[in-house]
Amino acid sequence: KQEVTQIPAALSVPEGENLVLNCSFTDSAIYNLQWFRQDPGKGLTSLLLIQSSQREQTSGRLNASLDKSSGRSTLYIAASQPGDSATYLCAVWSRGNEKLTFGTGTRLTIIP
Amino acid sequence: DAGVTQSPTHLIKTRGQHVTLRCSPISGHKSVSWYQQVLGQGPQFIFQYYEKEERGRGNFPDRFSARQFPNYSSELNVNALLLGDSALYLCASSLAGSGRTEAFFGQGTRLTVV
Repeated sequence: KQEVTQIPAALSVPEGENLVLNCSFTDSAIYNLQWFRQDPGKGLTSLLLIQSSQREQTSGRLNASLDKSSGRSTLYIAASQPGDSATYLCAVWSRGNEKLTFGTGTRLTIIP
Repeated sequence: DAGVTQSPTHLIKTRGQHVTLRCSPISGHKSVSWYQQVLGQGPQFIFQYYEKEERGRGNFPDRFSARQFPNYSSELNVNALLLGDSALYLCASSLAGSGRTEAFFGQGTRLTVV
C-alpha cells in the first residue's frame, strides 16, 4: 500500500528566502508525482508534474525533483513571496492503481 | 478555456438526507475522479470514472455512489448522510485514466452535515 509523507507539517520563513519542501513515498512503482498548492478552503492548483522517467521539472520560481529509487521528491521555491503562503501537497499515481495518493501537506507561511 | 467546474460550492444538509454533487471536466478530458478531504488531511480517493465506466473505488461505504454521463460530466451521490461526511469534496479531471497524464482539480464542494 502506497504511503506518502510530507515533513514538516508547517514551515514559516521570511520573505525572500529560498526553501525546500519534502515528500517521501513508500512504493517506487509510480507513473508520476504531482505537486499541488491549496489555499484555505479552496481546491487544488497543479504546480508541477514529474513523470517517473524524469528527474526534475521547473516552472518559474519552482523546481521539483524526483528520486524514484529512494522514494523522495523535493519542491524548491526560490525568492519566496507572501503570495506563496499556502498548503503544498504532493501526490503519486502508483502503477496498478487508479488514483492519486496524497500526503497530508506542508502549510507554508511567508513572513513579510 | 474553462477549468474543472463543481457545483454547488457550499451545501448544508441534515443527518440522514441525500446529497448530489456535480462536476464538469475540462473539455476533451474523459476521466473524472472524486476525492474527499477532511480538515487537516490530504484528499482521499473515492471513485474514478473513465469513458463512463468505473475504473476504481476507494475505501468508502456503499452510501457513496457516482456515475459519468455521455458528455463526461459526473455526479457523486451520498445517501443517509452522517456528521462524518462533512468535508471538502474535490473533483479531478484528466485526459486519460491511466495516471500518465496531469490531474486538474476543481474548487471543490464544501459539504456540512448538521
